[in-house]
Amino acid sequence: DAKTTQPNSMESNEEEPVHLPCNHSTISGTDYIHWYRQLPSQGPEYVIHGLTSNVNNRMASLAIAEDRKSSTLILHRATLRDAAVYYCILRVQDQGAQKLVFGQGTRLTINP
Amino acid sequence: GAGVSQTPSNKVTEKGKYVELRCDPISGHTALYWYRQSLGQGPEFLIYFQGTGAADDSGLPNDRFFAVRPEGSVSTLKIQRTERGDSAVYLCASSHPVRGENTGELFFGEGSRLTVL
Repeated sequence: DAKTTQPNSMESNEEEPVHLPCNHSTISGTDYIHWYRQLPSQGPEYVIHGLTSNVNNRMASLAIAEDRKSSTLILHRATLRDAAVYYCILRVQDQGAQKLVFGQGTRLTINP
Repeated sequence: GAGVSQTPSNKVTEKGKYVELRCDPISGHTALYWYRQSLGQGPEFLIYFQGTGAADDSGLPNDRFFAVRPEGSVSTLKIQRTERGDSAVYLCASSHPVRGENTGELFFGEGSRLTVL
């Protein structure tokens, strides 16, 4: 599975935007970029995914570099409830290969 | 409930004992996954079922670990001769299969915390 690199931790302030980076220099053409987050004492939850174009949903935005070797998850206005570990994962969009391979993720701390 | 349900939420056992962990996926989800997560680490893939069959069991660490899903719904993760190193949170997830624009998003349960003394 292609690997991703994320900072171990980041800190931001409440109500400010947060940009969480992810490097995936060995990404292949069939890999989708998925983001999950894990709140304390809970299982991971899906945040967003994309292939080439930038994506927006109610939780976040995903900005994908033109060469697809990096991406950034954007939380437009962080709240205390966004404090979590954020995982950037490459996943082949193929019926026979659906598992997610998690790395260490980025632990996001939000200051009030 | 509508989510993935895992039981027990906590299990304390002694070294050498046998343990079963149960996962009840979201109704209609054909894919089911097991992960385990040690403190401070990301979830580690164990096994994935598509229907009743194990499509990928490459993450099972050794032959003490086994999982079944006999009717394509509920799954049981079985651990024989437990060791202290098996202590972790065991997470279960389910999803629809990837098809077209469907992402095959995984929905996780809250996990079963296993402590082996």
